[in-house]
Amino acid sequence: KAGVTQTPRYLIKTRGQQVTLSCSPISGHRSVSWYQQTPGQGLQFLFEYFSETQRNKGNFPGRFSGRQFSNSRSEMNVSTLELGDSALYLCASRLTSNAYEQYFGPGTRLTVT
Amino acid sequence: KNEVEQSPQNLTAQEGEFITINCSYSVGISALHWLQQHPGGGIVSLFMLSSGKKKHGRLIATINIQEKHSSLHITASHPRDSAVYICAVKGGTSGSRLTFGEGTQLTVNP
Repeated sequence: KAGVTQTPRYLIKTRGQQVTLSCSPISGHRSVSWYQQTPGQGLQFLFEYFSETQRNKGNFPGRFSGRQFSNSRSEMNVSTLELGDSALYLCASRLTSNAYEQYFGPGTRLTVT
Repeated sequence: KNEVEQSPQNLTAQEGEFITINCSYSVGISALHWLQQHPGGGIVSLFMLSSGKKKHGRLIATINIQEKHSSLHITASHPRDSAVYICAVKGGTSGSRLTFGEGTQLTVNP
């Protein structure tokens, strides 16, 4: 089975712009979680989607949003980008929202200038 | 105080040495994960534990639920083990999502 894929792998945006990142889970996995990793804050949970519904949300402002499609692919969107949004954005998939094992994608490196 | 604390933050070892990385957590959990992150960002799940001990090759992970503590051991360390090792817990105040430790940067010199 193919692993979790994320596109794009690298992205440079300017302040004020918006960005959309994509995550394709492992085939058959219905839960997708998104994480932000920065040098200062480490890994932090953004949100989780299961069967097209947001099941859990971390402590991030409303500029961060996401959605999941019927094929379980997920997108996250960040509007009005700030310099502090520069980070590695990781998604992880699992079979269901109760499954313990998560499989991480390679991440999208976002740089905001 | 973070819910998940790792020690040490940085660790440098010589090839062949036995390595231990520690993780303490302050809440009740349903599972604990050890993750490995190489330069470039990709994360690999090494172990998922809810009790006892697991072994995979040169890696051993243990957890003590009563003491809220887990350790990751690497025997006969090798330069390719150089990576960031991250402890993450599921449960507690975070419910079903993962809460992460700050990671331990391991460098193994030849």
